[in-house]
Amino acid sequence: DIVMTQSPDSLAVSLGERATVNCKSSQSVLYSSNKKNYLAWYQQKPGQPPKLLIYWASTRESGVPDRFSGGGSGTDFTLTINNLQAEDVAVYYCQQYYNTPLTFGGGTKVEI
Amino acid sequence: QVQLVESGGGVVQPGRSLRLACAASGFTFSNYGMHWVRQAPGKGLEWVALISGDTKTKYYADSVKGRFTISRDNSMNTLFLQMNSVFADDTAAYFCAKGKREESYYSDLDSWGQGTLVTVSS
Repeated sequence: DIVMTQSPDSLAVSLGERATVNCKSSQSVLYSSNKKNYLAWYQQKPGQPPKLLIYWASTRESGVPDRFSGGGSGTDFTLTINNLQAEDVAVYYCQQYYNTPLTFGGGTKVEI
Repeated sequence: QVQLVESGGGVVQPGRSLRLACAASGFTFSNYGMHWVRQAPGKGLEWVALISGDTKTKYYADSVKGRFTISRDNSMNTLFLQMNSVFADDTAAYFCAKGKREESYYSDLDSWGQGTLVTVSS
């Protein structure tokens, strides 16, 4: 199984500042034939289901503000939230879909 | 727009069975892989199972293999999760989720239901 490890577990960021969440996979999720990283990021607010933010490691889902960006390749990935807004308070998860079982990171709680 | 509505959760005794359902609308259901993902109270997300659009392929997490069965009725646009021999660790909110990609069931998940809570307790 591919183990996804996120860091930090939680972080507090001032409004308008930048938050960076890290995600490391135990093996590469870069598929050589299409050069795509099978890595997604989700946002989950209290009492709500997760919401897809980023797929292919760096492609924003439709409607997601451009202050959210994803980067990295292979085994190391980051989610960056620029100009943090109050509505960005949530838990963020990475997920690999390179193979089964699909696996999620443990989550990073972003607070103000 | 895509809508996923889970039902069937509740309190179940250890060792008993429960069947969850997820009614889908707003997309061509049979074209997409569908997934169940669970979340224990206060914990993170755990993928449970997937089924391909044509029902031929199913995968399960080791934690539920042999006890849970995923299925779908494409004529009714409904996804199911049959949960047998449940125990306390199965207590969680169960979400159904739609795979984003038509061409693969190895997928990110672009639409989620609100979840249905399963509590295993005597």
